[in-house]
This record gives sequence, structure tokens and C-alpha cells, in this order.
Amino acid sequence: DTGVSQNPRHKITKRGQNVTFRCDPISEHNRLYWYRQTLGQGPEFLTYFQNEAQLEKSRLLSDRFSAERPKGSFSTLEIQRTEQGDSAMYLCASRVGDNYEQYFGPGTRLTVT
Amino acid sequence: KQEVTQIPAALSVPEGENLVLNCSFTDSAIYNLQWFRQDPGKGLTSLLLIQSSQREQTSGRLNASLDKSSGRSTLYIAASQPGDSATYLCAVPSGGSYIPTFGRGTSLIVHP
Repeated sequence: DTGVSQNPRHKITKRGQNVTFRCDPISEHNRLYWYRQTLGQGPEFLTYFQNEAQLEKSRLLSDRFSAERPKGSFSTLEIQRTEQGDSAMYLCASRVGDNYEQYFGPGTRLTVT
Repeated sequence: KQEVTQIPAALSVPEGENLVLNCSFTDSAIYNLQWFRQDPGKGLTSLLLIQSSQREQTSGRLNASLDKSSGRSTLYIAASQPGDSATYLCAVPSGGSYIPTFGRGTSLIVHP
């Protein structure tokens, strides 16, 4: 068990570009969450998967954001036409079944210039 | 909509002190409450998860209590050490949901 991994760890992009982040959950964890965190704030929920099904999306998740979890394993979060306000840490977490304890990855820090 | 407040926002103490961090929430119909630690620029590390049927959980020098009726949880850190310096976050799901709402955290500095 190697924990939740996220790639890349850092991403610097120019405004208007598209970016994609990847999250590999702990193996056999069927629940996966994406959060966004800005400085001085707690993580804010973006979206939630159970296996490959995207069950919940926050109103924070604008049309420029899309997330997938093909085959119920790794997940990707794509941001199209990035804006400076998208600069944040993007965190992924996973858990298994009825165990509600969430395990977080190290995050991807996005900077939009 | 769940609202989570953590007090104090920041705390600076000398090594060896016993500490109490507070978390309050507005919707008491919760399944659980989870405390996390976050080091600067890093992800979150789970410390303790308290199920709604439990009153407290302990792990080493950490003890977390939960009072659902009053919408409060406390994280007690015994004999604090410089390595405890971090931000401590509590996360509480909204009523009937498994989606947690996080507080802003308590930033703790323990100086030697």
C-alpha cells in the first residue's frame, strides 16, 4: 500500500491553457474525492466518485472543470481555459466502502500566470 | 449547509504544554468527524476519525472528543512537541451526506 499519489506535484501554466491532473488512489479504495484548497482555507469539495460513477459535484465545479474515473481506478481532473483564480492546491482523497476515513494525496499545486 | 468553525485560528506555545483545539459545527446530523494535520505545502494526514456513535478516540498523545448535541469536537494534544507544529483541520459531513466540510484550521507552533 503506497498511499494516494498525485501527479504532477507542481504545475505552472499561462492563463487560457488547459491542464490535467492525475490521482491514483490507494488500491481497492472505491471512493475518490477531489478538493481545492487556497491559502489559509480548508479544502473545498469539488467532486466525488464511487467506483467509476461521478455521484456528486460541487457548484464550485464550473463548466471548465471536468473529472473522470475510467474503470474505477485512477482519476483525472481537467481544467480548460485556466484563469488566475484557478491557482490553488488540488487535493485528492480516497476511502474504502463503509470506512469513512479519508486518505489524502500530497496535492498538485497549480499556478496560473 | 454545514458550517465548521475552528478556534483558535492560531496558537503559539512552549514545548510541553497540553493543548485543546476546538471545532464547532452547525448541523449535528452527522455520521462522523475527522481530524487532520497539514504541514505547509503538503497534503492532509488523518489523525483521528470519530463515528457519530462514539464520544472519543485516542491515538498516542492525541485525544478527540465529540458532542453531537452541542455541535462540538475538541482535539487534545498532550505534552506538545516542536514536531507537532502544523495546521490542524476538522472535517464534518453535512447531514445525511458523506461529503465533508472543512474548517479553516488552527495553525499551531510549538517552540522549544
